[in-house]
Amino acid sequence: SAVISQKPSRDICQRGTSLTIQCQVDSQVTMMFWYRQQPGQSLTLIATANQGSEATYESGFVIDKFPISRPNLTFSTLTVSNMSPEDSSIYLCSVAGTGANEKLFFGSGTQLSVL
Amino acid sequence: QKEVEQDPGPLSVPEGAIVSLNCTYSNSAFQYFMWYRQYSRKGPELLMYTYSSGNKEDGRFTAQVDKSSKYISLFIRDSQPSDSATYLCAMSEGNNRLAFGKGNQVVVIP
Repeated sequence: SAVISQKPSRDICQRGTSLTIQCQVDSQVTMMFWYRQQPGQSLTLIATANQGSEATYESGFVIDKFPISRPNLTFSTLTVSNMSPEDSSIYLCSVAGTGANEKLFFGSGTQLSVL
Repeated sequence: QKEVEQDPGPLSVPEGAIVSLNCTYSNSAFQYFMWYRQYSRKGPELLMYTYSSGNKEDGRFTAQVDKSSKYISLFIRDSQPSDSATYLCAMSEGNNRLAFGKGNQVVVIP
């Protein structure tokens, strides 16, 4: 298992501003994943972050809107840029278990509200 | 048609009852099937993990996979108030991409 610390846990932001979410893992991991969880919707993968390379974004998500950093094997950040009320959601960081990429461990999430 | 269908309707049961949850899917390439439990203001935690078809039991929890029908189930026996949470099904082809259901909110009433 992995222990994932994510912060902030919640924030209320103004339209047009940006928020950076931090994710710290207690062990070195190759891949980190960023998900979005909107009310009444399925958990949706935003991007996969590998250390030392550009993040891989899923369809519908772009780097300009959701820039990601992965400076080392235990840390990543996701920035939500130029926010609008539609960005109000829970954002989750996750990592895969050793030897089983389908066994994901999640942080507690960041509850973002955009006014 | 969405890849994974999960009826999100809240489910309320009395303590001690059996909780039955299910998901259907359309992608026949899915090989890995998971159930996650998510408490309020927390991230999802892996509850059950199954590869291919069959049953898996872990304490009060049983996961069933029927690949021929593209249908998976989770049963919770002797439900407890601490089982009150949202349960998410998830599936994967084994390519690091998981497809999630919308989640089922379960309330166990003491």
